[in-house]
Amino acid sequence: DIQMTQSPSSLSASVGVRVTITCRASQSISSYLNWYQQKPGRAPKLLIYAASNLQSGVPSRFSGSGSGTDFTLTISSLQPEDFATYYCQQSFSTPPTFGQGTKLQIK
Amino acid sequence: EVQLVESGGGLVQPGRSLRLSCAASGFRFDDYAMHWVRQAPGKGLEWVSGISWSSGGVGYGDSVRGRFIISRDNAKNSLYLQMNSLRAEDTAFYFCTKGSNADYDVALKFDSWGQGTLVAVSS
Repeated sequence: DIQMTQSPSSLSASVGVRVTITCRASQSISSYLNWYQQKPGRAPKLLIYAASNLQSGVPSRFSGSGSGTDFTLTISSLQPEDFATYYCQQSFSTPPTFGQGTKLQIK
Repeated sequence: EVQLVESGGGLVQPGRSLRLSCAASGFRFDDYAMHWVRQAPGKGLEWVSGISWSSGGVGYGDSVRGRFIISRDNAKNSLYLQMNSLRAEDTAFYFCTKGSNADYDVALKFDSWGQGTLVAVSS
């Protein structure tokens, strides 16, 4: 199975700042990488698919980049509603696997 | 609007069985693969199983293969997960998710999720 590793595991930041979360795959996955946001007590929500494509309805302050083994999720200007846990997921091969999550907290 | 509503969770003893259901609406159910993803309380996400649009292809995670069975009824717009020989480590919220294409094992992304149903395995 492909292992996905996110960094950092947790992050404190202030409203308005730019934030970057990293995801690394244990082997090349081309651009088969998705990002999800999960708020407490809620189901995950798809944000970015195929590394850099914004899911319909997701604000443009979210962006994704990368290919091969290294990927990033960037939030250009943090809003109060963005404080949540973020997961990456590879869709290159079955079983699909997720990173361990990055918890984004208010500073 | 896509809606996925899970049911069937609860408290069950180790070694017993439980069947989860997911009622889908708001999209053409038989055009898409469907999946189950679980999350132990306070932990990360784990893909459990997926099924292609026609039930012709199914897949399972290593931790549940041989114990869980996924199925679907396109006439009823419903997805199921039969969970047998349950273990304490199966305790989790189980989410029904919609795939983005017809096959369960191609370019998997989960674009819609239910609210989840909690399965607790304990004596």
